[in-house]
Amino acid sequence: AQSVTQPDIHITVSEGASLELRCNYSYGATPYLFWYVQSPGQGLQLLLKYFSGDTLVQGIKGFEAEFKRSQSSFNLRKPSVHWSDAAEYFCAVGAEGSQGNLIFGKGTKLSVKP
Amino acid sequence: KAGVTQTPRYLIKTRGQQVTLSCSPISGHRSVSWYQQTPGQGLQFLFEYFSETQRNKGNFPGRFSGRQFSNSRSEMNVSTLELGDSALYLCASSLVAGQGDGANVLTFGAGSRLTVL
Repeated sequence: AQSVTQPDIHITVSEGASLELRCNYSYGATPYLFWYVQSPGQGLQLLLKYFSGDTLVQGIKGFEAEFKRSQSSFNLRKPSVHWSDAAEYFCAVGAEGSQGNLIFGKGTKLSVKP
Repeated sequence: KAGVTQTPRYLIKTRGQQVTLSCSPISGHRSVSWYQQTPGQGLQFLFEYFSETQRNKGNFPGRFSGRQFSNSRSEMNVSTLELGDSALYLCASSLVAGQGDGANVLTFGAGSRLTVL
């Protein structure tokens, strides 16, 4: 069965420090992969996606992610975190045969220290 | 371009009642999906509609239902509410394959926060 694992429930980083959020997926074919961000009381905003091609994808707000098929990973990175990046981050994989059905990880809550 | 609009944003119901939530997709988006978000279970897929037809359904009881209208607007209904139905219900819309760049990418609304007492 398809699944997404985000091993870190909560991460705290200092403002200006680099960030890496981990995501591992289980999927039989070439996956559609996504990272979304959610601020408190809000919906989900798409940060970036990977469908095919270049395995390093750039997103909004200075985020990037790298698809590594051999490791079944799609980790999210940012070189310098801003206080406004504090939010919850969700990795998701597109379910086979269903464009509207994303399988989400449990999320990683990011706190930013001043 | 207006985003995905969900109404109401907040509502409180009591056990046994029913509730209807509404979702207006982005103009031109014909696929609408619904998700339930709870602290314990996270984000779970409820169902997906396209051209007024349910294309996929998640693992939820029959008390959860939905529909889509000819203008792509969608509603979901939960009957005989239980305490465990308290959640943030998210609607998302997308283009479909063949509609160009952006197909298969879900855009989410802000959600409807349901509290069941």
